Amino acid sequence: DQQVKQNSPSLSVQEGRISILNCDYTNSMFDYFLWYKKYPAEGPTFLISISSIKDKNEDGRFTVFLNKSAKHLSLHIVPSQPGDSAVYFCAASGIDSGAGSYQLTFGKGTKLSVIP
Amino acid sequence: DAGITQSPRHKVTETGTPVTLRCHQTENHRYMYWYRQDPGHGLRLIHYSYGVKDTDKGEVSDGYSVSRSKTEDFLLTLESATSSQTSVYFCAISRDSPGTDTQYFGPGTRLTVL
Repeated sequence: DQQVKQNSPSLSVQEGRISILNCDYTNSMFDYFLWYKKYPAEGPTFLISISSIKDKNEDGRFTVFLNKSAKHLSLHIVPSQPGDSAVYFCAASGIDSGAGSYQLTFGKGTKLSVIP
Repeated sequence: DAGITQSPRHKVTETGTPVTLRCHQTENHRYMYWYRQDPGHGLRLIHYSYGVKDTDKGEVSDGYSVSRSKTEDFLLTLESATSSQTSVYFCAISRDSPGTDTQYFGPGTRLTVL
């Protein structure tokens, strides 16, 4: 049962335009959400997070939006740059119904390609 | 960047042999984690530690054990490696629990079991 879903395996965007990466979750106990970026042969790098008490968080070119009623979050990158080309993982934290403790659950990732 | 190192970075081994991966941190963070990344699965939690000698299982713990005898070191052991354990393994750390704090990742270990 996949609790965090990134339904688009890949996304291509022109340099300078907006990139929008989407993530849906099913567990209503999730209350902390993060985005990570991953380059090949490197570990994931933290980008931005948002807690469930907010609906938006900005950091430079990166903005995360949270819609709790729809159980949906999105990452906006404006403007997109070629160096943004990477795999982006959405992650959510909350009480894991199976383990009974806080866990971080990841989506499968979306590969973003920014075309110069 | 968080001070996290993993060793070895690459390893090739044979089915049935024991393997130990090491994660070392210089941040004095309380929480440490082991994940594996496989195509089509994202990152999945294997085991985590919430203090010295305090560990718990994650989503995919079968076939793995861990130990943490010092704050800075978290070891992942495959007692008898199988081909299904071929993967990229990432260590992560956080100051506070996953519900309230960001996890920072190491560079990864690519393990191939023949």
